[in-house]
Amino acid sequence: KAGVTQTPRYLIKTRGQQVTLSCSPISGHRSVSWYQQTPGQGLQFLFEYFSETQRNKGNFPGRFSGRQFSNSRSEMNVSTLELGDSALYLCASSFRTGQETQYFGPGTRLLVL
Amino acid sequence: DQQVKQNSPSLSVQEGRISILNCDYTNSMFDYFLWYKKYPAEGPTFLISISSIKDKNEDGRFTVFLNKSAKHLSLHIVPSQPGDSAVYFCAAFASGTYKYIFGTGTRLKVLA
Repeated sequence: KAGVTQTPRYLIKTRGQQVTLSCSPISGHRSVSWYQQTPGQGLQFLFEYFSETQRNKGNFPGRFSGRQFSNSRSEMNVSTLELGDSALYLCASSFRTGQETQYFGPGTRLLVL
Repeated sequence: DQQVKQNSPSLSVQEGRISILNCDYTNSMFDYFLWYKKYPAEGPTFLISISSIKDKNEDGRFTVFLNKSAKHLSLHIVPSQPGDSAVYFCAAFASGTYKYIFGTGTRLKVLA
């Protein structure tokens, strides 16, 4: 069974630009969560989508948004990029049936110059 | 408000010895806990989990202990191997919220 895939793996943008990241979950998984990882901050929860609806949201500004498609693939968008947005962005998928394991993709490394 | 805390940012252990990684949480609603291992430039890999109805779960060299009264869990790795060198994250989950809260991670270095 294929794992969680994320594209692109690396991205360089400049301040003020916008970026879209993509995540394909494990087949059958309908929940996709997004996290931001920066040094010393651990994994900060961005949002979770299930059946094309945002079910959970973390404490990030409105510049961070996402969506989920009918095939469970998800995209995350960051508008008006800031230097502080440089981070590893991870997505994780699960069935969303209760106590269960989230499986992570390899992440997208975003560098904002 | 950091609901899940890993107070040791790093830990060094000799190969063959036991590694003990600790995690504390504040929210008594958490009822499922997980440990992940992360290598640089890769996503976290699931290691082991434990439900709040248990106090111990074992999988090979990895054992997780849960002390609900102290709101504390620990991951034991015995024996430690150089390949275990990575950052370890604990995560907590409260049924009904479908949100996983992660600690800040502990970097484990196993010395050969």
